[in-house]
This record gives sequence, structure tokens and C-alpha cells, in this order.
Amino acid sequence: SYELTQPPSVSVSPGQTASITCSGDTLAEKYVYWYQQRPGRPPLLVIYEDKKRPSGIPVRFSASNSGNTATLTISGAQTMDEADYYCQAWDSNTGVFGTGTKVTVL
Amino acid sequence: QVQLQESGPGLVKPSETLSLTCTVSGGSINSHYWSWIRQPPGKGLEWIGHIYYSGSTNYNPSLKSRVTMSVDTSNNQFSLKVNSVAAADTAVYYCARMSAYNSYFDSWGQGALVSVSS
Repeated sequence: SYELTQPPSVSVSPGQTASITCSGDTLAEKYVYWYQQRPGRPPLLVIYEDKKRPSGIPVRFSASNSGNTATLTISGAQTMDEADYYCQAWDSNTGVFGTGTKVTVL
Repeated sequence: QVQLQESGPGLVKPSETLSLTCTVSGGSINSHYWSWIRQPPGKGLEWIGHIYYSGSTNYNPSLKSRVTMSVDTSNNQFSLKVNSVAAADTAVYYCARMSAYNSYFDSWGQGALVSVSS
């Protein structure tokens, strides 16, 4: 089965840039979606189709997808960005989520 | 704005059937795909499957033998059944709406914790 691998944790200082990677075989051939999940809350879509931001998502969230790796970047991280982040893709009509990355802003 | 709400028993005995319903309000169920996603305590997200309003389904191969989804368009609801549950099925179960055109989950329920225990 298809797998998406993320680093378990990323730490960033307020105002600095955080990058979260998501690795999978030939990932660039698929669209990647990114979700933010704060404790006790359902996930929230922050990026769709590799690099598009839904309405209401701050511009500090950006993303790319190339080769076997997709990357979510938070530029000028704020304390409110502290959360778990999951990448997601479709493989043979099956939804696959990444392993998740806990982002700590301190 | 569409809202989703999960409902169902919070405790299920091993080997029995887990049943959940998601009620959709603020929009019609007669469009989009309607999904179930679960998250074991302290762990990551797992896609269970989705159903179209017409009744067509697509399940995660890892759960396909135990999962059944159905839709009730007259009541704007869709449902999930997982049979032969075990402790590993303990999780927060989310229902979510997926755009038919963009394939992302754009609206989620708050989640329902279902524990499997005798």
C-alpha cells in the first residue's frame, strides 16, 4: 500500500520559517493536500492541489511538490500555528494520510 | 455553511458492530462525496471510505471487508458500520464532506470517540 512519511516533529521560533516534508513514491504525480489539526479539533484544510490556499488561510502558508517530496512552508510562524500537520494524497482511489508532524512554535 | 454532526454509541463491545450516523445541515447531501475518517487516540488520521449521494461507495482496502456505508437522502444523513470490532478500532471517528471536483475534505464534523471494550 502507498505510504506518506513525515518527520514526527518540527520546532520553529516565532517569526521564523518552518518547513514540513512529506515523502512518497512519485508523489509529484499526485495532488497533495495539507491539513492543520489543533488539539481536540477536527483537521482544517490549509493547502489543496499541491500549492493552492483555500479562502481564509493566511498567505504565510505555502507549499510545493516535486519528485518524491512535498513541502509545506510556514513563513513567519506564529504561536497560533502550533498544531499537527498532515499531508494527504490519493492513490488508486484510496485516501492516504501522512504520518503527521507536530509543529512547535517557541 | 454546511455543518456535520456525528452521532452513535460511544462504547462498543469487541466482536460487535460499530454504527455511526452523520447528519448534514445547512446544505444538501445530494452532491459531493461523504467521507469517514478516523484517528486513534494520540495517533494519525486514517481514511475509511466515502459514499456518493447516489449510493456508490469506495472503501479503504485495509478495512473493506468490515465496512459498510449508506446514505439517507430524505434525512440528509449518511452512516458507517464497522463489524467485528476490536480494541484497535478505538478512535475518534470524523465524518467529512469531500468536493467531487477537487478531492479535498472541506467540512468536518467535530468527531465522535468510539471505544471498543468489554
